[in-house]
Amino acid sequence: QKEVEQNSGPLSVPEGAIASLNCTYSDRGSQSFFWYRQYSGKSPELIMSIYSNGDKEDGRFTAQLNKASQYVSLLIRDSQPSDSATYLCAVIDFNKFYFGSGTKLNVKP
Amino acid sequence: DTEVTQTPKHLVMGMTNKKSLKCEQHMGHRAMYWYKQKAKKPPELMFVYSYEKLSINESVPSRFSPECPNSSLLNLHLHALQPEDSALYLCASSPGGSSGGPRSSYNEQFFGPGTRLTVL
Repeated sequence: QKEVEQNSGPLSVPEGAIASLNCTYSDRGSQSFFWYRQYSGKSPELIMSIYSNGDKEDGRFTAQLNKASQYVSLLIRDSQPSDSATYLCAVIDFNKFYFGSGTKLNVKP
Repeated sequence: DTEVTQTPKHLVMGMTNKKSLKCEQHMGHRAMYWYKQKAKKPPELMFVYSYEKLSINESVPSRFSPECPNSSLLNLHLHALQPEDSALYLCASSPGGSSGGPRSSYNEQFFGPGTRLTVL
């Protein structure tokens, strides 16, 4: 059984700061990693996918993957109150997503 | 059209009712999924359809019956549900296909808005 671990939080950061969300996974053979954002009562929304070691940037978001250490992280620069949500990390294996339990982020104005 | 739609948005049903949830996408995606999500928990996979064939059933009770009439449509038929089945039911789709490989945007899943189900 693949395991994906996230700190449930809440993680509180002030507006304008960098929020750092972390995720570790158990299967060393995993190759595809995804970050989803989920607002309360809404469905998950794909933010980023990452497949190769290193950083991948998209606007204020940067995903980082380190396969040797089996962790993937999401950095949110210039955090806004609208970024307050639960962030889900997911790993895929043969069409099955394995989700972490999610980290709740609170961005305080 | 770049979205997954689900109907109804909300559904309240008794334990003896039969109802269906509907999911539709017009992005040409070849894989479609049903998830169940309870409050403060991550989505839990129920079924996967790939090229209109059921490829994964996560040991879901038979009171849930999926159907994929065509490549754009996915249904979930509900019968004799229990109150503990109350949850948010999410449909998702992905481009799918094997040509993309394991490290590919073909695996990115896009979720519909969900159906909030309450079983009385």
